[in-house]
Amino acid sequence: GENVEQHPSTLSVQEGDSAVIKCTYSDSASNYFPWYKQELGKGPQLIIDIRSNVGEKKDQRIAVTLNKTAKHFSLHITETQPEDSAVYFCAATFSGAGSYQLTFGKGTKLSVIP
Amino acid sequence: NAGVTQTPKFRILKIGQSMTLQCTQDMNHNYMYWYRQDPGMGLKLIYYSVGAGITDKGEVPNGYNVSRSTTEDFPLRLELAAPSQTSVYFCASTQRGALSYEQYFGPGTRLTVT
Repeated sequence: GENVEQHPSTLSVQEGDSAVIKCTYSDSASNYFPWYKQELGKGPQLIIDIRSNVGEKKDQRIAVTLNKTAKHFSLHITETQPEDSAVYFCAATFSGAGSYQLTFGKGTKLSVIP
Repeated sequence: NAGVTQTPKFRILKIGQSMTLQCTQDMNHNYMYWYRQDPGMGLKLIYYSVGAGITDKGEVPNGYNVSRSTTEDFPLRLELAAPSQTSVYFCASTQRGALSYEQYFGPGTRLTVT
């Protein structure tokens, strides 16, 4: 089955700086890679996703890059703000399997220091 | 539109007791999932359902059972609770065939078994 590794497990940045979280996956058939943000006491919420036919996707201050050859993808947050502080999870799946099961990384706790 | 709702929010069980975690979604999604989240371990899939009457095991199904009699409801049953089942449980749903594979998560149930 799929295995997703996520690094780092914790990340502290100064407000306004950039944050980068990296994930690697093992199954070359995986073709959908979402990123979820989990605030304290809440369920995860999708913030951005990318499919294997795209190398990069951007949404305002958030971007995701995908390197299919190396089987890794990254989340980039620019101009970080205190409200970006949360736990971020990457995930991977093969959408053609029909069940849309996601395999999650272990999460990165991001702290943005004002 | 409430999205995905879960009850209860918190529960303390004694070893050997049983309980049902409730999950309801009002988005008419056909796919539903149960995850458990342990500190530093990400989210692990317990069971999932691709429609009413159809369920299947995920990565960590032992000690749990599910049923799906309606599109809206997907209860998770714990029989003979054990301390290893102490965790936060999340229910999620998605719609097959949609342009996005986004999973919508409920707020979670925090369960302690002592």
